[in-house]
Amino acid sequence: GNSVTQMEGPVTLSEEAFLTINCTYTATGYPSLFWYVQYPGEGLQLLLKATKADDKGSNKGFEATYRKETTSFHLEKGSVQVSDSAVYFCALTGSNYQLIWGAGTKLIIKP
Amino acid sequence: DAGVTQSPTHLIKTRGQQVTLRCSPKSGHDTVSWYQQALGQGPQFIFQYYEEEERQRGNFPDRFSGHQFPNYSSELNVNALLLGDSALYLCASGTGTGFNNEQFFGPGTRLTVL
Repeated sequence: GNSVTQMEGPVTLSEEAFLTINCTYTATGYPSLFWYVQYPGEGLQLLLKATKADDKGSNKGFEATYRKETTSFHLEKGSVQVSDSAVYFCALTGSNYQLIWGAGTKLIIKP
Repeated sequence: DAGVTQSPTHLIKTRGQQVTLRCSPKSGHDTVSWYQQALGQGPQFIFQYYEEEERQRGNFPDRFSGHQFPNYSSELNVNALLLGDSALYLCASGTGTGFNNEQFFGPGTRLTVL
């Protein structure tokens, strides 16, 4: 069946460091891929998405490229800020268009 | 413009009881989906309502049921509560039934079953 695997957290970085959060997936067909973010005390927000192979989603300095050959959708940011501290979820559309979620990766940025 | 709202914020119930959670979608949205998020895990899809009918359903027992009203708001009902039902329940709204469109999430209802 469809599934999403994310790197375990927490990931702790210093401000201005380079960020990568790995996400790999298993799916039939051609799912759309998403990154959602959950800031402390807030609801889930869509960060970026990609709907077909080789698409790059980007938002707020974050980027992720839909790599069909490696079934990956890694999240990257060149220079993180303290305000980026949150839990990040990778997700895909499964059969019947359900969203299938990874377990989430907690990111902690230290000043 | 109010986003997705949910009520109540927190709820404490005992095993065997029944609970009703409520969700109002973002203005202009006609689809409501419900998710269960256990601590430290990603959300699990429960079901989706569109045009007052259940359109999609995840792997949840019949104890979980829902309703959508003509104003697009929705309720999630859980009967015969189990300890394992303790979780954050999230409501998301969007347009149409495809998940390629952005879904907007509410802050959730924290349910604790004792």
